[in-house]
Amino acid sequence: DAGITQSPRYKITETGRQVTLMCHQTWSHSYMFWYRQDLGHGLRLIYYSAAADITDKGEVPDGYVVSRSKTENFPLTLESATRSQTSVYFCASSPTDVGQPQHFGDGTRLSIL
Amino acid sequence: RKEVEQDPGPFNVPEGATVAFNCTYSNSASQSFFWYRQDCRKEPKLLMSVYSSGNEDGRFTAQLNRASQYISLLIRDSKLSDSATYLCVRGGGNKLTFGTGTQLKVEL
Repeated sequence: DAGITQSPRYKITETGRQVTLMCHQTWSHSYMFWYRQDLGHGLRLIYYSAAADITDKGEVPDGYVVSRSKTENFPLTLESATRSQTSVYFCASSPTDVGQPQHFGDGTRLSIL
Repeated sequence: RKEVEQDPGPFNVPEGATVAFNCTYSNSASQSFFWYRQDCRKEPKLLMSVYSSGNEDGRFTAQLNRASQYISLLIRDSKLSDSATYLCVRGGGNKLTFGTGTQLKVEL
């Protein structure tokens, strides 16, 4: 029972580089989400997707791009990484609705130097 | 005012104690509420949903007060393993909104 997996677990990169964080779920959940977690801010929604080929912005979408060509995958790309994007990124999924409990992956710790 | 506010703590309690956390929310249109638990450097995990009538799961009791716009979490007979950060979560407006969490430390 793999559930929801994120890769890589840790990533260090430099400003200006493109970085892609992967998220894969085996539950066939319709909804998938990307959050970032920073001290003092809690979890903030970056983007979410209600189904394949349907994505929408969250609270902090600037500087990020997502796609969802298959139900099980929801990659997050930082097109040109900045130091302010250093954070812990969590992917989550939910079977039915945005307002229902979500199940989280282990997280990706991203450092941008 | 933040949409979801929690006392960050830490709450330091002895093993076996009863501890309660409150969380206030600002949007009266909120439809669903949850408590999540997050261990240090780990992912948040759903602890329990919060229903209008209140609900209990073993040593944990959650209550919702819509009139005063707060939810609470009561932990009885605290265990060392309860040490974690507890996140208050509000659902509504097509998203979940997370509080910044309350840290609990249970000590011998």
